[in-house]
Amino acid sequence: AQKVTQAQTEISVVEKEDVTLDCVYETRDTTYYLFWYKQPPSGELVFLIRRNSFDEQNEISGRYSWNFQKSTSSFNFTITASQVVDSAVYFCALSEGDTGRRALTFGSGTRLQVQP
Amino acid sequence: GAGVSQSPSNKVTEKGKDVELRCDPISGHTALYWYRQRLGQGLEFLIYFQGNSAPDKSGLPSDRFSAERTGESVSTLTIQRTQQEDSAVYLCASSSHLLAVAKNIQYFGAGTRLSVL
Repeated sequence: AQKVTQAQTEISVVEKEDVTLDCVYETRDTTYYLFWYKQPPSGELVFLIRRNSFDEQNEISGRYSWNFQKSTSSFNFTITASQVVDSAVYFCALSEGDTGRRALTFGSGTRLQVQP
Repeated sequence: GAGVSQSPSNKVTEKGKDVELRCDPISGHTALYWYRQRLGQGLEFLIYFQGNSAPDKSGLPSDRFSAERTGESVSTLTIQRTQQEDSAVYLCASSSHLLAVAKNIQYFGAGTRLSVL
C-alpha cells in the first residue's frame, strides 16, 4: 500500500532563512504522481506542484524548488529566503497510476512558522 | 463559480443526528473527491466520483457515511447518526481530465468544519 511520510511535524525559522521540508514515499507502482500542497490558516489547500515518476528533473519556481530522487523515494521542497507569508502547513501527497486521477494519499503535514 | 465551493463552512451537531455537507465543484470538472482531515493530521480519502462511472467508495470509514453526485455537478456527503469521532474538517476537491496544463490536478474547497457534541 502507498504511504507518505513527513517526519518534520513543525519547523520554525526566521525570515530570510532557507528551509527544506522533507517527504518520503512508498509505492509499489512504477508510475505515480507526487504533489505538494500548502494549507494557510484559512484552511483551503493550495496546489503548488505535481511531478510524475518519469520526470526526475528538479524544478524551481521563484523562491520554491523541489528535489525529486527516486533512488531514495524522496520529494523534498525548499523555500529560499523564507517570508512570513510562507507560514502554513505543507502537505506532500502521492497518487498511484498513470493518469493522476486516483485519490491522493497525504502525509501528515509539516507546519512551517516563519518569524519576522 | 471560480473555485470549489463547500457549505456550510461550519456545522455543529449533536451526537446521533444526521448531517449533510455540500460540495459545488469547479464548472466542467468531471472528477470529485471527498477527504476528511482530523485536527492536526493529514487528509484521509473518503470517496471519488468520476463522471457517470460507479464511485470509488473504498475510503468510507463506515456505513454511516454515504455520498451522492448527480452527473458532473453538486455532491452531498451524508453522515448518519453522527459520533464524536466524526468531528473533523471535510474537504472536497475536483479535477478535470481534459485540461492540458491542469489535467487531473485536484483543486480543493475551504472545507466544512464539523463538530459533534
